[in-house]
Amino acid sequence: GESVGLHLPTLSVQEGDNSIINCAYSNSASDYFIWYKQESGKGPQFIIDIRSNMDKRQGQRVTVLLNKTVKHLSLQIAATQPGDSAVYFCAETVGGSEKLVFGKGMKLTVNP
Amino acid sequence: GAVVSQHPSWVICKSGTSVKIECRSLDFQATTMFWYRQFPKQSLMLMATSNEGSKATYEQGVEKDKFLINHASLTLSTLTVTSAHPEDSSFYICSATRLAGGSSTDTQYFGPGTRLTVL
Repeated sequence: GESVGLHLPTLSVQEGDNSIINCAYSNSASDYFIWYKQESGKGPQFIIDIRSNMDKRQGQRVTVLLNKTVKHLSLQIAATQPGDSAVYFCAETVGGSEKLVFGKGMKLTVNP
Repeated sequence: GAVVSQHPSWVICKSGTSVKIECRSLDFQATTMFWYRQFPKQSLMLMATSNEGSKATYEQGVEKDKFLINHASLTLSTLTVTSAHPEDSSFYICSATRLAGGSSTDTQYFGPGTRLTVL
C-alpha cells in the first residue's frame, strides 16, 4: 500500500547549524509533496511544497529537494533556531488526489 | 489569510455522551474540508473528506455513524463524536482547501486542533 516514512525519529542540533530532515515515499504515482511543522498541542503549519515535476524549491531558510529516482524527499533548514523545534511531517498526494498521506513525523530539537 | 479555526480547543466529556467539534475557514471559502485524528506521538490519520452540501466520504475503518460530519456551508464543517468512549480520546484536526484554487492539489490549511478526553 501507500506509505510515507521518515528515516530518523529524532534529530538534535545546535542553534545555527543546518538541519536536514529526510523522508521516503513508496508510491511512484505521488505527485505533490508538502512539509509541515507541528508544535506541541497545535495543528500542522505549512512550510513548503513541491510538485513532482520539480527537483528543488527554496523558501525562506528552507529548501525542499525531491529525488524521484529513489523516492526521497528532504527538508533543509538553514541556520536552525530554537523556534524551529517541533515535529516535522512530510505528506504526499497521489495521482492528483486531494487526500494527504502523512509520514510518521520527526522531532527536531534545537539546542541554544 | 487562510485561517482555519476550531471550537472548542479542548473538551472533556463522560463516556456515552456526544461531542460536537466545529471547523471554520475564517477568511476564505472552502471547497473541501478534511478531518484528521492524531494519537499521542503519532502522525495524522485522515478520517473523512467533507464537501459542502454533500455527504462526507469516510476512510476505511472509520465508522460514519459514530463520527457524524456535517458541512453546512462553505465556511463551516462539524464533526460529532457520538456515544464517545475513552478510546475516542484523541487530538482532532480539521483542514480546508480554498474555493478558487482550481487544482486538486490546493494547499490544505489546518486548524489548531481539538483535544478530546473521554472519561
